[in-house]
Amino acid sequence: DTGVSQDPRHKITKRGQNVTFRCDPISEHNRLYWYRQTLGQGPEFLTYFQNEAQLEKSRLLSDRFSAERPKGSFSTLEIQRTEQGDSAMYLCASSSVNTEAFFGQGTRLTVV
Amino acid sequence: EDQVTQSPEALRLQEGESSSLNCSYTVSGLRGLFWYRQDPGKGPEFLFTLYSAGEEKEKERLKATLTKKESFLHITAPKPEDSATYLCAVQAGNTGKLIFGQGTTLQVKP
Repeated sequence: DTGVSQDPRHKITKRGQNVTFRCDPISEHNRLYWYRQTLGQGPEFLTYFQNEAQLEKSRLLSDRFSAERPKGSFSTLEIQRTEQGDSAMYLCASSSVNTEAFFGQGTRLTVV
Repeated sequence: EDQVTQSPEALRLQEGESSSLNCSYTVSGLRGLFWYRQDPGKGPEFLFTLYSAGEEKEKERLKATLTKKESFLHITAPKPEDSATYLCAVQAGNTGKLIFGQGTTLQVKP
């Protein structure tokens, strides 16, 4: 296993369009997290899955954001009606119950 | 509210000039304190986990320590390749969710 994989690495979209990002976690990890990071800041927690169940969502996750993890494997994060304020790096991480979280390389979103 | 504050925000060192980065935290029920390294345009790379006050961990030129209120990342005789942003995070509760500080950007000049 080569680690957490995210796709795409970069995405430029026009304001108002919908975008979807994919995360493939480390295969034996049952926990999956999404974070958002803006320039000069640390990552901020968005949501957490244990297997296929979404167990926690941040207040940062407005109703335009939706995340899924069908079958407890890969996960998708969709942003509807994108706004310029959504421009950020979206990071995915995975872990097991007693291990540290490993991060992917992120998806850089630019909304123009 | 759980909170993590890192200082300084930026640090410039000459190669070989040792220094320390600080991470202050307030959290109800610390389950672990984590240090990550992040290079520009990339995801955070795991460095250390500390679980209890007095614990220390080392890796090459880096040494992390933990007290009840803060953690230090000591960098001994840094090299230019140590230049990166160093992130501190705490885990509270049992979900594994991390609360990050804003990071310290380290630049080591040859």
